[in-house]
Amino acid sequence: AQTVTQSQPEMSVQEAETVTLSCTYDTSENNYYLFWYKQPPSRQMILVIRQEAYKQQNATENRFSVNFQKAAKSFSLKISDSQLGDTAMYFCAFIKHYGQNFVFGPGTRLSVLP
Amino acid sequence: ETGVTQTPRHLVMGMTNKKSLKCEQHLGHNAMYWYKQSAKKPLELMFVYSLEERVENNSVPSRFSPECPNSSHLFLHLHTLQPEDSALYLCASSPGWGAQGNEKLFFGSGTQLSVL
Repeated sequence: AQTVTQSQPEMSVQEAETVTLSCTYDTSENNYYLFWYKQPPSRQMILVIRQEAYKQQNATENRFSVNFQKAAKSFSLKISDSQLGDTAMYFCAFIKHYGQNFVFGPGTRLSVLP
Repeated sequence: ETGVTQTPRHLVMGMTNKKSLKCEQHLGHNAMYWYKQSAKKPLELMFVYSLEERVENNSVPSRFSPECPNSSHLFLHLHTLQPEDSALYLCASSPGWGAQGNEKLFFGSGTQLSVL
């Protein structure tokens, strides 16, 4: 069974600074996908970024980028130029290729301070 | 607006009540999910439907009963719930397995359920 771990329950960052959220996972699969989802106080879970395990290049989406280390089973999220609207819970998630179950980590609560 | 709508947004019910949660997706997706989100716990998968057929039931108690009448609608029928069932219930959809980009979930805003 796959598991996803996020070791930082809470983090804070000053506006305009950079922050990195950690995620590790455990799987015996070789083909899979990793995600970061954001859940602001509105409760809407929003996809931030997606990584395909067979791609060595790290995914980027504007201010969001990942550091994917497949051998270490690590998938961290870097947020550059943090904005107040980035305040939210961030969940790391995993699904194996053609899998049915997205497995989520426990989340990291990020607060961006003015 | 992500194309997945859940109603009601909030629900308070007694342990002897019967209620239903509704989810509707306007994205043309083939798979729909119910997740339970409790405080300080990871999201727990409850049910998965693909093309209206249940493909996974994660040992959920029978007091939760899903229904998927078509690929756009998903219900969760609730009866004789317990206080520990109080949580945020999230519905999600995805294009479906084998489809390009299927590994992506689109969520509704959830129903915050309180069982008294």
